[in-house]
Amino acid sequence: EAGVVQSPRYKIIEKKQPVAFWCNPISGHNTLYWYRQNLGQGPELLIRYENEEAVDDSQLPKDRFSAERLKGVDSTLKIQPAELGDSAVYLCASSLTSGAFSTDTQYFGPGTRLTVL
Amino acid sequence: GNSVTQMEGPVTLSEEAFLTINCTYTATGYPSLFWYVQYPGEGLQLLLKATKADDKGSNKGFEATYRKETTSFHLEKGSVQVSDSAVYFCALRDSSASKIIFGSGTRLSIRP
Repeated sequence: EAGVVQSPRYKIIEKKQPVAFWCNPISGHNTLYWYRQNLGQGPELLIRYENEEAVDDSQLPKDRFSAERLKGVDSTLKIQPAELGDSAVYLCASSLTSGAFSTDTQYFGPGTRLTVL
Repeated sequence: GNSVTQMEGPVTLSEEAFLTINCTYTATGYPSLFWYVQYPGEGLQLLLKATKADDKGSNKGFEATYRKETTSFHLEKGSVQVSDSAVYFCALRDSSASKIIFGSGTRLSIRP
């Protein structure tokens, strides 16, 4: 079974440019997460989807970041415009949620390493 | 708020040495606790987990015991191998949310 797929794996852009990351979760997983991992730190949640609905976007910087999961399957995370401080690895994860919250393992993709110059 | 504190790295050991990576947490209620591992060039993988006090999670020779009295979840392995070289993350999920809170990670390097 295929794992969580992310693309691109690496992206280098200049500041003020837009950038987008794509994630395809494990088939059948209804919950999708986007995390940001700064160098030398653990991942921090940006947004969590259950099906098409963003149920937790409290940590998403909404002035420049946006995300969508239109059909409840794959998802796109966008930054516009990018700033130097956005350089990080952006991780996507998925899990199968039943009931009030997820009790299952989150499976992570390999991440997209973004460098903003 | 909830948080995870883990031993700073890097940790360098010789093959077959005993490993301990310390992890303590702050949380309300009864969180689930996890160790994730990130091998070079790969995504995070769940290594083991424990969902209630005194549970022991184990996988690939690694173990960690959920100690509520000391709010700890230390990772141990009796004899490490070169292939264990990776970054290890301690994490928790609180009892009321799906969000996982990660520690800052500990880089482990094993010398042959």
